[in-house]
Amino acid sequence: SQKIEQNSEALNIQEGKTATLTCNYTNYSPAYLQWYRQDPGRGPVFLLLIRENEKEKRKERLKVTFDTTLKQSLFHITASQPADSATYLCALYSSASKIIFGSGTRLSIRP
Amino acid sequence: DAGVIQSPRHEVTEMGQEVTLRCKPISGHDYLFWYRQTMMRGLELLIYFNNNVPIDDSGMPEDRFSAKMPNASFSTLKIQPSEPRDSAVYFCASGGLQEDGYTFGSGTRLTVV
Repeated sequence: SQKIEQNSEALNIQEGKTATLTCNYTNYSPAYLQWYRQDPGRGPVFLLLIRENEKEKRKERLKVTFDTTLKQSLFHITASQPADSATYLCALYSSASKIIFGSGTRLSIRP
Repeated sequence: DAGVIQSPRHEVTEMGQEVTLRCKPISGHDYLFWYRQTMMRGLELLIYFNNNVPIDDSGMPEDRFSAKMPNASFSTLKIQPSEPRDSAVYFCASGGLQEDGYTFGSGTRLTVV
């Protein structure tokens, strides 16, 4: 069956370090993958989209990679700040199943 | 643009009652989605529309759930009769260009007692 796994429920890192979140999938052939940020009591907010033929995409302190051989996407936040603390969700799009979300990783950046 | 607007923000109702959730998407967006979020199951896609037409409702849990989009600026999700297991946060999202992702509303927290 189709499955999306985000590496851990929670990740705690020191301010200034790079946070790396993982999204693995099985039995999918996604056309593209998205990353969202969700704060408590709010809806998810779109951050980045990367297509199956793209290896890497950057936006300010954010970097996303997409490896269709490994069936994995990595999401990096460089020079992390306490304000980056939130839950981060990956979402895969395929023509068969449309957008399906992972369960999310709760990231905490300690000062 | 005020973004995707959902109402009500909170709804508490008794089991067996009808519940109607409302959504106003962003003007110009062709797609509208209804999601449900719980701790146990995460974000689940219930149904989505393209140009006001329902395209995929395979995520609707059962016949108690129905959704309509009578025009480009309004959609409803109805649960009749409601049950305690329907308690969740229900999100509406709209989308246009793929590169811009989806824009979510603030959600409706539904509690069925």
